[in-house]
Amino acid sequence: EDQVTQSPEALRLQEGESSSLNCSYTVSGLRGLFWYRQDPGKGPEFLFTLYSAGEEKEKERLKATLTKKESFLHITAPKPEDSATYLCAVQASGGSNYKLTFGKGTLLTVNP
Amino acid sequence: GAGVSQTPSNKVTEKGKYVELRCDPISGHTALYWYRQSLGQGPEFLIYFQGTGAADDSGLPNDRFFAVRPEGSVSTLKIQRTERGDSAVYLCASSQRLLGTPYNEQFFGPGTRLTVL
Repeated sequence: EDQVTQSPEALRLQEGESSSLNCSYTVSGLRGLFWYRQDPGKGPEFLFTLYSAGEEKEKERLKATLTKKESFLHITAPKPEDSATYLCAVQASGGSNYKLTFGKGTLLTVNP
Repeated sequence: GAGVSQTPSNKVTEKGKYVELRCDPISGHTALYWYRQSLGQGPEFLIYFQGTGAADDSGLPNDRFFAVRPEGSVSTLKIQRTERGDSAVYLCASSQRLLGTPYNEQFFGPGTRLTVL
């Protein structure tokens, strides 16, 4: 069974204080690992897809990296508007179902 | 362009009633997914459509839940004899497999918050 564990559950940062969120996963074969951002009362917003170990992707203050067992979402010099829940999900290879298995998320709060 | 839309945004019903939740995917997206998200949890897969057919309904919790997509676009999730434990946010996502790429990203709607009293 595919499993995703995210840590920490919650993280408070001061504006400008860089940090990282962790996503550990267990999957029979990885088709892709996805990061989403979710604001209160809204649906998840797509951020990144990573396909293979060693891959990195960046978007503004966010950078996602992938190894064979985990992914990190690095946040550089965060701003209050980066406050949200960040969700990690895996998509298993094999078959034709592209369903996502999500972790519980990390609630990030950035204080001004 | 327009994203995934879901109606209603909120639905309050009484235990035992029947409810229908609607999803309008991004135009041209052939794959459609339903997920359920409880408070403090990540979304959990319910059912997957490729075109008009339900390709995988293994995530539906029991036979009170049913979903259709008759014309390969709009989908309706139907819940019979609702229970308090059905209270959650129901999310819909759609995706399109692009030529030459083996993977796809799913784009989510805002969700329908279902409350069963």
